Amino acid sequence: QKEVEQDPGPLSVPEGAIVSLNCTYSNSAFQYFMWYRQYSRKGPELLMYTYSSGNKEDGRFTAQVDKSSKYISLFIRDSQPSDSATYLCAMSLNYGQNFVFGPGTRLSVLP
Amino acid sequence: DAGVTQSPTHLIKTRGQQVTLRCSPKSGHDTVSWYQQALGQGPQFIFQYYEEEERQRGNFPDRFSGHQFPNYSSELNVNALLLGDSALYLCASSYITGEGQETQYFGPGTRLLVL
Repeated sequence: QKEVEQDPGPLSVPEGAIVSLNCTYSNSAFQYFMWYRQYSRKGPELLMYTYSSGNKEDGRFTAQVDKSSKYISLFIRDSQPSDSATYLCAMSLNYGQNFVFGPGTRLSVLP
Repeated sequence: DAGVTQSPTHLIKTRGQQVTLRCSPKSGHDTVSWYQQALGQGPQFIFQYYEEEERQRGNFPDRFSGHQFPNYSSELNVNALLLGDSALYLCASSYITGEGQETQYFGPGTRLLVL
């Protein structure tokens, strides 16, 4: 079992749809959770960063962490074609610990 | 304010050769991490440098080595290149936020092709 799992997709949705992206993980000691967006042939771009459980909202993006279920989610409201990218979840144990990434979910938002 | 920069953007080498990749962190960042991202995969942690010392290392062989300079910039060196080393090499820099937490910002990467 991989440490962090994501549905690789591709996930295709129409413009304006609500998108739900998910990751599961096996190590209950993870405390820091991140979502990155990566466009083709570019480096990952940090979208959301949360510590421990709970929700965090930033514009059209909402990140949820459920540590009891070892499950994190990223919701994108009013999705746009410019949101088409690969979305990577990442997590770490403590400050200074390396980040463990999921394999990424490829999202296509169709106009 | 410049973000994380990496050079070169692309590189082609042959098996057995050695390569050096370079990274300049975002202003104010003192920690640099290197990741390898194979096509269609998430980034895999190679190592992290802080105060010119290797602080952590992932599951990569000794052929992968690094260095951090006093200005916090960093180099990744790979010796005896294998075909399987072909990947996007990402540098990430980080700092402690006001809440005492750390976050990482990535550069655009160096795409290495080993023939």
